Amino acid sequence: KQEVTQIPAALSVPEGENLVLNCSFTDSAIYNLQWFRQDPGKGLTSLLLIQSSQREQTSGRLNASLDKSSGRSTLYIAASQPGDSATYLCAVLYGNNRLAFGKGNQVVVIP
Amino acid sequence: EAGVTQSPTHLIKTRGQQATLRCSPISGHTSVYWYQQALGLGLQFLLWYDEGEERNRGNFPPRFSGRQFPNYSSELNVNALELEDSALYLCASSLAGYYNEQFFGPGTRLTVL
Repeated sequence: KQEVTQIPAALSVPEGENLVLNCSFTDSAIYNLQWFRQDPGKGLTSLLLIQSSQREQTSGRLNASLDKSSGRSTLYIAASQPGDSATYLCAVLYGNNRLAFGKGNQVVVIP
Repeated sequence: EAGVTQSPTHLIKTRGQQATLRCSPISGHTSVYWYQQALGLGLQFLLWYDEGEERNRGNFPPRFSGRQFPNYSSELNVNALELEDSALYLCASSLAGYYNEQFFGPGTRLTVL
């Protein structure tokens, strides 16, 4: 079964601290992995996409790593800001072309 | 360039009615995907359409159906609505074929009373 788990479900950090969000997946036969941001009641904003052959991707303050063999990805957000408060979703693309999502990390950055 | 658009933004129906949700993909994209985000359940894959054909279907009952039009826009129909169908329905689009990045729309919030 293709399960995606995100831990912790919720976290609060003071402004300026670095954020570390974890994603694990049970089936390592992935094609790519995406990190999304979702604001309450809204759609998904794609943050980073890592192809299965890649180890990491970076965009501004965001960095995502991928370890396919251990079934893990980590999203790092440097120097967090109150505007980073949102739910972050990890999604894995498998051979059936479906994205399998974790339930998300709900982040609150405290000013 | 316009992103994925969905209509309506909100939809309120009563149990037993039918709901129709619409999605327009990014220009040049021929694949459309539907996902359901129900409270507490996370995002679940519903349907994938490509070039007008249904390519894959998630673990949902047959009363969830859809179609893709020649202009690649798509419609999701939910018949005989049940209370547990209340959810945010997200549409995504991608280039044709497999393993392409999926771009999401803002969603339609369906409430079943």
